[in-house]
Amino acid sequence: DAKTTQPTSMDCAEGRAANLPCNHSTISGNEYVYWYRQIHSQGPQYIIHGLKNNETNEMASLIITEDRKSSTLILPHATLRDTAVYYCIVRSSNNNDMRFGAGTRLTVKP
Amino acid sequence: EAEVAQSPRYKITEKSQAVAFWCDPISGHATLYWYRQILGQGPELLVQFQDESVVDDSQLPKDRFSAERLKGVDSTLKIQPAELGDSAMYLCASSFGTGYEQYFGPGTRLTVT
Repeated sequence: DAKTTQPTSMDCAEGRAANLPCNHSTISGNEYVYWYRQIHSQGPQYIIHGLKNNETNEMASLIITEDRKSSTLILPHATLRDTAVYYCIVRSSNNNDMRFGAGTRLTVKP
Repeated sequence: EAEVAQSPRYKITEKSQAVAFWCDPISGHATLYWYRQILGQGPELLVQFQDESVVDDSQLPKDRFSAERLKGVDSTLKIQPAELGDSAMYLCASSFGTGYEQYFGPGTRLTVT
């Protein structure tokens, strides 16, 4: 599976959009981009995933570049409860192997 | 909303003792996973079940760790004997099947003294 690179930490003001980048330059054609987050002392929570088209759900939007080598998770109106570690994972559609890196620690500030 | 259940939430044990963790996946999820998360790192897969069969236990330290899912529903992860380095969060996850998103339980935080 392709590796991902994320910034170690980011800050965001409450009410503003949080844009979390992820690089996955070695992604293969059948690999999806998944995002999870982990709030302190809880299990990881699924957010969104996509293959090549942009995706949106009630939690976030996922923007994948045309060459699929990078993506951005967007939380449109960040709240204090969005403070968490966000993991970007690249995963093939025909296996369950999810390799979590260290993720990005997002801190939403009042 | 259906959730993955785990117990206990916290466990303190002395080294060389045996310890066991329990997981009840979301109903209808055929695939179950156990992960270990060391503080400050991302989760790492220990073992994966498809129904009652182990499909991947390549990262499970089999000299001391064992996992079972006898009826293809709930699962138990055991450590015997526990070592100081086993202190970590043990997470259970389930998914509908291969390629589907995984849903995680709250985890069991193990401290070995």
